Amino acid sequence: DAGVTQSPTHLIKTRGQQVTLRCSPKSGHDTVSWYQQALGQGPQFIFQYYEEEERQRGNFPDRFSGHQFPNYSSELNVNALLLGDSALYLCASSLGDRTPDTQYFGPGTRLTVL
Amino acid sequence: AQSVTQLGSHVSVSEGALVLLRCNYSSSVPPYLFWYVQYPNQGLQLLLKYTSAATLVKGINGFEAEFKKSETSFHLTKPSAHMSDAAEYFCAVSGTSYGKLTFGQGTILTVHP
Repeated sequence: DAGVTQSPTHLIKTRGQQVTLRCSPKSGHDTVSWYQQALGQGPQFIFQYYEEEERQRGNFPDRFSGHQFPNYSSELNVNALLLGDSALYLCASSLGDRTPDTQYFGPGTRLTVL
Repeated sequence: AQSVTQLGSHVSVSEGALVLLRCNYSSSVPPYLFWYVQYPNQGLQLLLKYTSAATLVKGINGFEAEFKKSETSFHLTKPSAHMSDAAEYFCAVSGTSYGKLTFGQGTILTVHP
């Protein structure tokens, strides 16, 4: 049984560029949440997708957007990259009809903005 | 709104010694509480969770945590540290908001031989 998978593992971009990160949830899960973990910090909630809709959003600017596909996989898009966007981006999956269900995390995507 | 405070950004113990990692929470609704562990360059692995059942929760790898409502605490303990326990540990709280997790700043555990 595959757990949560994320791609790519690492990514290097320059300021002003756009980036797309991808996540496949654990088998049987229908909800995907995204978190940003800056170096030396705890993860911070970006947003959550359920039934292809953004259900909840954290305190992040509109440059951060997402999408969920019918197979429950998800993308995180960040536009107009800033140096401060450099972080580990974590995807977590869970069952949306249980509140709150345990979230299972993927290995993350390390984004470096130069 | 929820928040988590982890007391001590670094904790160092000897192999075989007691591990105690402190977590205090604030929540406007009955909380669900979690401890996750993160090894270098990896994602988060769930150690244990409290979801309003038994106040003493047992997790993987010999860890346990006790929910104390009066103290708003959820400290993580392990009777005997092992070298493989060296990692960063995060306490997190969730309310009824679809499971959004609010994390503490993390505690790095170092285990000395």
